[in-house]
Amino acid sequence: IAGITQAPTSQILAAGRRMTLRCTQDMRHNAMYWYRQDLGLGLRLIHYSNTAGTTGKGEVPDGYSVSRANTDDFPLTLASAVPSQTSVYFCASSESSGSYNEQFFGPGTRLTVL
Amino acid sequence: RKEVEQDPGPFNVPEGATVAFNCTYSNSASQSFFWYRQDCRKEPKLLMSVYSSGNEDGRFTAQLNRASQYISLLIRDSKLSDSATYLCVVRRGANNLFFGTGTRLTVIP
Repeated sequence: IAGITQAPTSQILAAGRRMTLRCTQDMRHNAMYWYRQDLGLGLRLIHYSNTAGTTGKGEVPDGYSVSRANTDDFPLTLASAVPSQTSVYFCASSESSGSYNEQFFGPGTRLTVL
Repeated sequence: RKEVEQDPGPFNVPEGATVAFNCTYSNSASQSFFWYRQDCRKEPKLLMSVYSSGNEDGRFTAQLNRASQYISLLIRDSKLSDSATYLCVVRRGANNLFFGTGTRLTVIP
């Protein structure tokens, strides 16, 4: 693995179903993030984690949960998917949460909720 | 009001042209500034950070005007490979990264 991987690449999901988007990084970065990207709205932060064992809410956290059991993995769970959660989801990581730390993005997961 | 606003474009320019993008941000407490590049159906990648004194990286020049709360990106001698969407990004606080909706550039042969 090099960088950040996300799985699945894409998914079609029935409303009401539970879904976990996976994110793994091999750069030993402390901070990790989940964003969603919607047309006309840009990327918006869902949840973040500054270090293993801690998480925080971003701009649009409702309907999503995260966990950070270790440095490498940061899964995002939709407990009961709704059509408004149709989006492209990007996981990102950075060495720390400092001002000019570059965020590296995974390839994204395209999720459609019907 | 959006945290970060950009002209969505599209900007269609011939190869070799110079093109400039501007972006404005609404919160004066914003601390750091970036331009990211996003190719179609790909993830964003950092193009350059933007510092108060302005900075240059090859054909790319970024400027920051804190008094007017705007950021600019200048691309000289445009290449076909510069075709992409350019995202203006502003950080406020440790975890608050705000993205503009992007400006789409197409460089025409």
